[in-house]
Amino acid sequence: DIQMTQSPSSLSASVGDRVTITCRASQSISSYLNWYQQKPGKAPKLLIYAASSLQSGVPSRFSGSGSGTDFTLTISSLQPEDFATYYCQQSYSTLLTFGPGTKVDIK
Amino acid sequence: EVQLVESGGGLVQPGRSLRLSCAASGFTFDDYAMHWVRQAPGKGLEWVSGISWNSGSIGYADSVKGRFTISRDNAKNSLYLQMNSLRAEDTALYYCAKDTAATYYYGSGSAYYYYMDVWGKGTTVTVSS
Repeated sequence: DIQMTQSPSSLSASVGDRVTITCRASQSISSYLNWYQQKPGKAPKLLIYAASSLQSGVPSRFSGSGSGTDFTLTISSLQPEDFATYYCQQSYSTLLTFGPGTKVDIK
Repeated sequence: EVQLVESGGGLVQPGRSLRLSCAASGFTFDDYAMHWVRQAPGKGLEWVSGISWNSGSIGYADSVKGRFTISRDNAKNSLYLQMNSLRAEDTALYYCAKDTAATYYYGSGSAYYYYMDVWGKGTTVTVSS
């Protein structure tokens, strides 16, 4: 199975900060990488697919980059509604796997 | 409105069985693959199982292989998860999710990128004596 790791596991940031979350795959997954946002008590929400494509309706302050084994989710200017947990997920293998998540909270 | 509604969760004793259902509406159900994803209390997301549009391709996480069975009824716009030999570690919120593919065209061909774009609110399964 393809293992996904994320760093950091949590971070504290202020409104307006630029935030970067890293995701790493245990083997090359090309650009088969998606990012989801989950708020407490809510279902996950798709943000980015195919490593860098923004899902319809998602604010442009979210962006994704990377290919192969290393990927990044960037929030250019953190907003109050962005405090949440973020998960990466690979779709290279038919056995899908998620990263452990990165919790972004208020500094 | 595109919607997924899970049902069938509850409290069950270890070793017993439970069947989850997911009712889909607002899209052409038999055009899309579907997945079950779970989240144990206070933990991250874990993909459980997926099924192609025509049930021709099915996959399971190692943690549930041999115990869980995914199925779908396209005539009823419904997805199911039969869970047998339940364990305490199966306790989780179970989400149903719709799979979508984006097609990218390159000079040498094309590639399909899959992602889960619609999620239900989940149904809770608690395995305890």
